[in-house]
Amino acid sequence: DTGVSQDPRHKITKRGQNVTFRCDPISEHNRLYWYRQTLGQGPEFLTYFQNEAQLEKSRLLSDRFSAERPKGSFSTLEIQRTEQGDSAMYLCASLRGPNTGELFFGEGSRLTVL
Amino acid sequence: AQSVSQHNHHVILSEAASLELGCNYSYGGTVNLFWYVQYPGQHLQLLLKYFSGDPLVKGIKGFEAEFIKSKFSFNLRKPSVQWSDTAEYFCAVNSGYSTLTFGKGTMLLVSP
Repeated sequence: DTGVSQDPRHKITKRGQNVTFRCDPISEHNRLYWYRQTLGQGPEFLTYFQNEAQLEKSRLLSDRFSAERPKGSFSTLEIQRTEQGDSAMYLCASLRGPNTGELFFGEGSRLTVL
Repeated sequence: AQSVSQHNHHVILSEAASLELGCNYSYGGTVNLFWYVQYPGQHLQLLLKYFSGDPLVKGIKGFEAEFIKSKFSFNLRKPSVQWSDTAEYFCAVNSGYSTLTFGKGTMLLVSP
């Protein structure tokens, strides 16, 4: 048990469909991060929250992507009108701190867009 | 902007061989450096970190890394690898309160 849980672990969808991923961080961690990882690449930052506030978004986060953390606990990442290029592992992490590089990752949600 | 370069994408070693994985970063200011590891089927986890002080840092499972500021490097080492060290290793950097930037990773395969 990593402490950070993500759901679903795998999602296969057709191009054009919407998908939503959920992340439950470690309960006492107030910062939550989303990263994306594709084959042969390291994790790439997408966005992060401090409590319910979304404080930074990467240029990778196009208009089709939206993330929320409504009560400062769990977070969702929605991708609308999926494209084949969205196929990737979506990683959630919470900050084990105090440095912003000390992250506690979940096992990821793998998205395959057909 | 920060960037991280890892020299080898794949490394194959026999058990008991010594390991050194290269990592170089580009950033002109003060940095914090990390190595993360992902064992097969598991989540990414922190292996070791450098913030300041002694440039030789020790992590879990006998790993160590040396920060050489003049070379912008933070290479990971282990004197004698084991089959259980088979994993993907990621070097990462941040500065101040910035978000973490990862390298592309090095897949290490240790044959028994």
